[in-house]
Formats: sequence, C-alpha cells, structure tokens
Amino acid sequence: EAQVTQNPRYLITVTGKKLTVTCSQNMNHEYMSWYRQDPGLGLRQIYYSMNVEVTDKGDVPEGYKVSRKEKRNFPLILESPSPNQTSLYFCASSGTSGRGSSYEQYFGPGTRLTVT
Amino acid sequence: GNSVTQMEGPVTLSEEAFLTINCTYTATGYPSLFWYVQYPGEGLQLLLKATKADDKGSNKGFEATYRKETTSFHLEKGSVQVSDSAVYFCALRTGGSYIPTFGRGTSLIVHP
Repeated sequence: EAQVTQNPRYLITVTGKKLTVTCSQNMNHEYMSWYRQDPGLGLRQIYYSMNVEVTDKGDVPEGYKVSRKEKRNFPLILESPSPNQTSLYFCASSGTSGRGSSYEQYFGPGTRLTVT
Repeated sequence: GNSVTQMEGPVTLSEEAFLTINCTYTATGYPSLFWYVQYPGEGLQLLLKATKADDKGSNKGFEATYRKETTSFHLEKGSVQVSDSAVYFCALRTGGSYIPTFGRGTSLIVHP
C-alpha cells in the first residue's frame, strides 16, 4: 500500500532532550516536507527536500534540523526542544514517479509532540 | 508570491444542508488547484483537484470548479453528512514546482 509513515504518533518529552521524528514514504517521491499545524495558524512548512542531499528551509525552520540521505526517508530532528515546539507535525511527499502525477501531496498520519 | 484565502470557520450545518466553502487565490502563472480534507486525528488527504481553467474536480459528492476569471475554487456539496465533519484546506501549485501553498483551513461541523 502506498503511504507515508511517521513515528512516533505521540511523544511527550522535556525541554532540551534531543528527539527525532521519522518519516518514510514508499512511492519513490522526489519531494518531501515537514509541516507543523497549530490552532488558528493552519499548516506551516518547516523544511522541505527536493531530492536526496537537497534540503531547504520553509517558513518556520528555527529549532529544527532535517536530513535526506535516502530518497524514502526524511527525519525531523529537534536538537533542544522547547515548549513552543509543542504542536502537531506532518510529513508529506510528492513526485512524478509512482503515485502523484500532478504533484499532489501525500501526508503521514501526524505526530503529536508535547514539550514540557 | 502565491497565496490562498479561505473563509474562516467553523462552518456549522445540519445534515442534508448545502455546503459552500469559499477559496480564492493569487498566483503567478497558471496554478493547479486542490482541496484536501483532514478528518479528526488523521493527516490531510487529497479530496479533489483541477489543473486548468473551467475544469471541475469532484469526489465523494464534493465539487469545485476552477474559475480563472474570479481566481476562485469554491468547494460545494449538495447534501452534507455527519461524516463530512472535518477540516478542509484549499491549496495551489504553480509550474513545475513541488511546493504547494495552503490556505489556513476551514472547519466543518455537521449536526444530525
């Protein structure tokens, strides 16, 4: 089944404790991105990647890191999480190969992060 | 730059009522237009799309027509159900870019 998977789905952590949220897609998509969703603010893009080893900042990159060493994986890293990073996070992918010929986005199920 | 404006919610309707969620856009070039739906506790999923002017996208009883003259892509459904309660996002993409522009989302609540 074609899908985007994220892990973990729920995470509660403390300020300053490094964490990684994994994202993987099985559609051979070139493009992957991370969003955060907050009440009243809609979706805001954190980072995106056009292909392996190519990443760029989105609208709200501060406090986050990403890497794209393989085409299928795009982990989100919070080196020193703070309470203002408490949010719902979504990974998405898009591409011209496999599914998604018109570049529509395929989203993961979300990761709800709480930083205390 | 590109932008998408959606009506603010929540939109509250009774079952079987007619639904319209307005979406207007500003874009360079000729965008492809999308509606995504986010059911409670889930990620966004594509609901429908239109890639050129006057195209009508449709799915699950929802429709939206790409209106270039009014730069709009309003979402409509003739008879909503409780199961349609969700957040709806309008989005666009221009040229060969993968990067979409999303509206802020409109919450729909349907009461029995």
